[in-house]
Amino acid sequence: EAGVTQFPSHSVIEKGQTVTLRCDPISGHDNLYWYRRVMGKEIKFLLHFVKESKQDESGMPNNRFLAERTGGTYSTLKVQPAELEDSGVYFCASSQGGPQHFGDGTRLSIL
Amino acid sequence: QQQVKQSPQSLIVQKGGISIINCAYENTAFDYFPWYQQFPGKGPALLIAIRPDVSEKKEGRFTISFNKSAKQFSLHIMDSQPGDSATYFCAASKEGETGANNLFFGTGTRLTVIP
Repeated sequence: EAGVTQFPSHSVIEKGQTVTLRCDPISGHDNLYWYRRVMGKEIKFLLHFVKESKQDESGMPNNRFLAERTGGTYSTLKVQPAELEDSGVYFCASSQGGPQHFGDGTRLSIL
Repeated sequence: QQQVKQSPQSLIVQKGGISIINCAYENTAFDYFPWYQQFPGKGPALLIAIRPDVSEKKEGRFTISFNKSAKQFSLHIMDSQPGDSATYFCAASKEGETGANNLFFGTGTRLTVIP
């Protein structure tokens, strides 16, 4: 069974640019989560999809972040325009009646 | 406001020793407490988890101790090995009936096991 995959693994962009992160959950998993870890701090929840619907987006920091989940399959997280404080590692996780399985993350650096 | 507090930030243990990582939480509605292990460049992987109806859970060399009244839980790694060197995160969530909810993580503990 393929795990959660995230693209790209690294992204370096300049402040003000746009970046889109992608997550492919484990096949059949209805629940998809986005988290972020800023250096040295805790992994923080951003939002939770159930199939294509946003169940909880209380962790999204501001309206520069837009998450979508097309047809309840893969998800994208777009940051537009990127700011310096958006740097960190973005993790995606999926679950289906059990524990959350995490991808290896996207390391995002804003210069 | 951080929902789960974790200590220590880093830990160095001799091979064969016991590694102990502690966590505390505030929200009494939390009903699921997992520990995740993360190696460099990889995502967190579930190590072991406990629910508040038991005080201890053991899987191999890994044990979770849970104190509901103190709102604390800890991970014990017995006979620590160099391969256990990783970052460990405690977490908590309120799963309720749906069995799905976001996790609140601690800040992580970087464990180094010296050969």
